[in-house]
Amino acid sequence: SQTIHQWPATLVQPVGSPLSLECTVEGTSNPNLYWYRQAAGRGLQLLFYSVGIGQISSEVPQNLSASRPQDRQFILSSKKLLLSDSGFYLCASSYHRVEQYFGPGTRLTVL
Amino acid sequence: AQKITQTQPGMFVQEKEAVTLDCTYDTSDPSYGLFWYKQPSSGEMIFLIYQGSYDQQNATEGRYSLNFQKARKSANLVISASQLGDSAMYFCAMRGPPSGGGADGLTFGKGTHLIIQP
Repeated sequence: SQTIHQWPATLVQPVGSPLSLECTVEGTSNPNLYWYRQAAGRGLQLLFYSVGIGQISSEVPQNLSASRPQDRQFILSSKKLLLSDSGFYLCASSYHRVEQYFGPGTRLTVL
Repeated sequence: AQKITQTQPGMFVQEKEAVTLDCTYDTSDPSYGLFWYKQPSSGEMIFLIYQGSYDQQNATEGRYSLNFQKARKSANLVISASQLGDSAMYFCAMRGPPSGGGADGLTFGKGTHLIIQP
């Protein structure tokens, strides 16, 4: 079974600072990887997905970017955070198009 | 475009009663999958149950069952014999056919906050 790790668990950053959130997956090879964001009291919004190393697709235009430097590593970044970037960020993994498994999430607060 | 609608922002249910959480969806694709996830206050998303659009029978997983009515485009979650630990947010989600890039992210509803009372 897949295990998804995310860090940090919580993060408080000032507006205009950079961001790097990391996600790693254990227990599978060549998974599809996803970044979602959940605003307070809302459902999840798909931000990025990746089908392989170096292959990133963006679903929503924003000041965030994603990278996949290794098969089981997925990174979410920003050069300059905005207040609207606050939220709960979840990484997910799926293999052979079965259900998506989620990591524990990172709670980001931008002040 | 795909859309998921959950019309119950919150529900209060007595312990041991059955619960039905509503979900309707909209898609023009013939091939799709429907999911339910549970999100406790800790924030983790816990997969509960899956129904494929071509599945002939309704999915069941322990106390969870999915009442799939394809013609009505509804996929309600039924929890039998509710427990205090069932209190959480519940999200309905849909996966469509792979996009041009080959991946298939989920489209989520806004969720239902279920509170089980003793």
